[in-house]
Amino acid sequence: DVKVTQSSRYLVKRTGEKVFLECVQDMDHENMFWYRQDPGLGLRLIYFSYDVKMKEKGDIPEGYSVSREKKERFSLILESASTNQTSMYLCASSTPVGRGGGYTFGSGTRLTVV
Amino acid sequence: GDSVTQMEGPVTLSEEAFLTINCTYTATGYPSLFWYVQYPGEGLQLLLKATKADDKGSNKGFEATYRKETTSFHLEKGSVQVSDSAVYFCALRNQAGTALIFGKGTTLSVSS
Repeated sequence: DVKVTQSSRYLVKRTGEKVFLECVQDMDHENMFWYRQDPGLGLRLIYFSYDVKMKEKGDIPEGYSVSREKKERFSLILESASTNQTSMYLCASSTPVGRGGGYTFGSGTRLTVV
Repeated sequence: GDSVTQMEGPVTLSEEAFLTINCTYTATGYPSLFWYVQYPGEGLQLLLKATKADDKGSNKGFEATYRKETTSFHLEKGSVQVSDSAVYFCALRNQAGTALIFGKGTTLSVSS
């Protein structure tokens, strides 16, 4: 069964900490994405990547960075966590648009910054 | 820019009731349209999709028709079940885009 795996289901971090959220996919997908999900706001795109070492800013990149050193792994980094980054973080991967472009989502990481 | 607007919830229905969740979009060209579902404690799953005008996507008794004239992609089901309780997201991807753009989600609660 193909999947996108996020390393932690729940995470509690302190303000100012550097936080790494890891995402691994086993489908050989080119594209990978990080969204955050907040009540009343839906899903908002933080960053995405369409190839190894490539990244593009989404709608809300401020306070975040990403790393994609290998095709299967896409990491989201909170350089200095703040309480307004408390949220559910969802990772997804997809084939290119020309090959259907279907998304597969991970189960999410619920991050609490205290 | 491109955007998706879907009806606010929560939507509360009795089992076997008819469901409609409205979704309209703003986009240039001919986007692909999607409905995703998120069950409690899980990630999003693709429910159905349509890639061109007048296409009808269907899955698990749910249907949605791509209406370009009204820029809509409303989700319908003739008879909901308790197990359909979830959050439903409408989304689009434009022709040039890689990333999906999501609506804010609609929570559906079905009681027996």
